[in-house]
Amino acid sequence: AQKVTQAQTEISVVEKEDVTLDCVYETRDTTYYLFWYKQPPSGELVFLIRRNSFDEQNEISGRYSWNFQKSTSSFNFTITASQVVDSAVYFCALSEANYVTGGFKTIFGAGTRLFVKA
Amino acid sequence: DAGVIQSPRHEVTEMGQEVTLRCKPISGHDYLFWYRQTMMRGLELLIYFNNNVPIDDSGMPEDRFSAKMPNASFSTLKIQPSEPRDSAVYFCASQTSRNEQFFGPGTRLTVL
Repeated sequence: AQKVTQAQTEISVVEKEDVTLDCVYETRDTTYYLFWYKQPPSGELVFLIRRNSFDEQNEISGRYSWNFQKSTSSFNFTITASQVVDSAVYFCALSEANYVTGGFKTIFGAGTRLFVKA
Repeated sequence: DAGVIQSPRHEVTEMGQEVTLRCKPISGHDYLFWYRQTMMRGLELLIYFNNNVPIDDSGMPEDRFSAKMPNASFSTLKIQPSEPRDSAVYFCASQTSRNEQFFGPGTRLTVL
């Protein structure tokens, strides 16, 4: 069965602290995709990253970094030196093959709300 | 580029009415996605298209929902008849060949 768990409902940090958002997934497929999205208070959704299951290389983009570990089925997201503008809800998502339709079925975690205080 | 355009931004309608949500993807993007977000169920992928063809509609909640993409620059999501439980924010997103998704601002639907 397909499942995405973001165990941290809310995290509160002070500006300049580093913060890691956890994402644990379950899938039986060997081919799948993992995503992170950001939803700031204004409500729009912002795509952050997509990784496929065969690429376990960690990725860094500015203050953002992602740690993909298949051994623990985790795809964690770290913000270094957090800023107030990082305050948002962050969603992790898993996409795996839908053998009925031939497409991909995507499910989202419940999201982690991050508060960064000045 | 103007980004993904959705209309209307807000829609208030009465139960039983037909609702049509519209999306114009970014030119050149091959994939188009429709999502729904509610407090109860969070974010859900409803359907997605590749080159205007529906690939996976397994997330569409029931037959009252339908989506079309008649050409590369336009898609609609229709609810007929609408019900109060359909109240949500509906997002459209288009995707590049590098698998980067760009979201529209969303349509906030309220069904009374």
